[in-house]
Amino acid sequence: GNSVTQMEGPVTLSEEAFLTINCTYTATGYPSLFWYVQYPGEGLQLLLKATKADDKGSNKGFEATYRKETTSFHLEKGSVQVSDSAVYFCALTPLGNRDDKIIFGKGTRLHILP
Amino acid sequence: DAGVIQSPRHEVTEMGQEVTLRCKPISGHNSLFWYRQTMMRGLELLIYFNNNVPIDDSGMPEDRFSAKMPNASFSTLKIQPSEPRDSAVYFCASSIRVGQAGELFFGEGSRLTVL
Repeated sequence: GNSVTQMEGPVTLSEEAFLTINCTYTATGYPSLFWYVQYPGEGLQLLLKATKADDKGSNKGFEATYRKETTSFHLEKGSVQVSDSAVYFCALTPLGNRDDKIIFGKGTRLHILP
Repeated sequence: DAGVIQSPRHEVTEMGQEVTLRCKPISGHNSLFWYRQTMMRGLELLIYFNNNVPIDDSGMPEDRFSAKMPNASFSTLKIQPSEPRDSAVYFCASSIRVGQAGELFFGEGSRLTVL
């Protein structure tokens, strides 16, 4: 079946550190891949997405590249800020998704220390 | 533009009481989702609608939970009777069409505490 696995948190970094949050997926064909972010007290919001292999999604200094060969979509940022503290969710929608469901990972909590 | 609007933002009730959570999706969106989020279980999809029709309710925990979407601009999630284990944040989300690599838009959530 379709699934998303992401690294368990919490991840704690100092401000300006390099960030990687790992995400791998299992799906048939070529799913669309997403990273959502949830700031404290808010709902999830889309951070970036990629719809085909080798695509790179980017937003707010975050990047993720759709790697078909490793079935991965790791989230990276070169220099994190305190305001990046949040929970990050990797997600996918399967190819030819007839039932409109998006499959989320369990989320990774990120703490950035000043 | 208004986003997804949920009410109430916070609800505290006693075990056995009925709880009704409300959601107004973004105008023009044709899919609506109800999620539950807890520390223990993370984010769970309860039910979703497409064009006001329930498509998949396999995530609804039990018969105490019910959801309706009487029209394109309104949905409710009802718990009757409520239990302490129902305490969670309930999110409503809408989209134009997720299957076409669309984007899910979430409300700010309704935090439910059942004493």
